[in-house]
Amino acid sequence: EIVLTQSPDFQFVTPKEKVTITCRASQSTGGSLHWYQQKPDQSPKLLIKYASQSMSGVPSRFSGRGSGTDFTLTINGLEAEDAATYYCHQSGSLPYSFGQGTKLEIK
Amino acid sequence: QVQLQQWGAGLLKPSETLSLTCAIYGGSFSGYYWSWIRQPPGRGLEWIGEINHSGRTNYRPSLKSRVTISIDTSKKQFSLKLSSVTAADRAVYYCASLSGSYKPFDYWGQGTLVTVSS
Repeated sequence: EIVLTQSPDFQFVTPKEKVTITCRASQSTGGSLHWYQQKPDQSPKLLIKYASQSMSGVPSRFSGRGSGTDFTLTINGLEAEDAATYYCHQSGSLPYSFGQGTKLEIK
Repeated sequence: QVQLQQWGAGLLKPSETLSLTCAIYGGSFSGYYWSWIRQPPGRGLEWIGEINHSGRTNYRPSLKSRVTISIDTSKKQFSLKLSSVTAADRAVYYCASLSGSYKPFDYWGQGTLVTVSS
């Protein structure tokens, strides 16, 4: 199983801040690395697929990059509504796996 | 645009079998993989298994002995059964779809909280 390790686990953030979340895979995901946002009592929402492709309707302040085993999700100019938990996910090999999550809380 | 709506029993006793169903509305049916994912309260996401339109399944190895995922193509529904539940199986269970191999989970059900208590 590919293990995904995110950092940080938790971060206090302020509006307009630039936030970067990293996801490191224990082996190559073949580029099949995706990012989700989950707010309390909601289902996860797909933000970015294949490391860097933003989904339709996702604000442009969200961006992703990376390849191989190292990936990042960046929020450029965080807004209060971005307070949530973010998960990376790999679909390159079975069993599919998720990172442990990064919770962003407004300071 | 696919919509997933799920239902099933939310309170079980230890050793009982968890049973959830997810209905698929809209979008293409064939070519998709239909998954179950769970999330213990306050914790992360864990993929349980998947099935495609022809009934081919893949399961998480650690749960394989207790999991059965089935599909009813005539009703456009797929189901999860998890046998011999314990308190460790308490979680919100989600159905979700992938539009093909190596794809992300693009659509999710609303989630069902399953509690195991004697």
